[in-house]
Amino acid sequence: AQSVTQLGSHVSVSEGALVLLRCNYSSSVPPYLFWYVQYPNQGLQLLLKYTSAATLVKGINGFEAEFKKSETSFHLTKPSAHMSDAAEYFCAVTWGNTNAGKSTFGDGTTLTVKP
Amino acid sequence: EAGVAQSPRYKIIEKRQSVAFWCNPISGHATLYWYQQILGQGPKLLIQFQNNGVVDDSQLPKDRFSAERLKGVDSTLKIQPAKLEDSAVYLCASRSTANTEAFFGQGTRLTVV
Repeated sequence: AQSVTQLGSHVSVSEGALVLLRCNYSSSVPPYLFWYVQYPNQGLQLLLKYTSAATLVKGINGFEAEFKKSETSFHLTKPSAHMSDAAEYFCAVTWGNTNAGKSTFGDGTTLTVKP
Repeated sequence: EAGVAQSPRYKIIEKRQSVAFWCNPISGHATLYWYQQILGQGPKLLIQFQNNGVVDDSQLPKDRFSAERLKGVDSTLKIQPAKLEDSAVYLCASRSTANTEAFFGQGTRLTVV
């Protein structure tokens, strides 16, 4: 079965510290991978995506993620956390271009940034 | 460009009542999705439309949920009758053929009491 696992439902970091949010997936075909951010009472906003081009993907707000096929991972990082980064983050996978947009989501990681 | 529009933003109903949600996708986006997001979980796909046709409704509880996109533009999702476990945020998303990702609306938060 296709699945996405986000390790750690809650992550807390200090302002200025490294942010690392983990995502692993299971797939028998090359995936498209996405990270979305959701602020309270808002919809999902795309942070970045991997679609079989460069394995290191840079997104908005200073976030980046690296696709590692051997580890079936797509972890999200940011060198220095800002207070405004506090939100819920979702990793999502789409299997193949024919399924583009029809994603399977992880259960999310809530990021707290301490002053 | 304008984003995906959804209404209402919030709705509270009693169990066994009916409710409808409306979605207007980004102009020109042929594909439209409805997702259900239960508190503490990621969004789960309910139904996918391509223009006015259903592509995938395998996860839609058809005994109580229905959706339509009659003219291939805006869409409605209906629940009748509602159950307590239907309390969730219902997200609409749309995608053009040029994109690999969907664009999401702000969602409708449904509370069934």
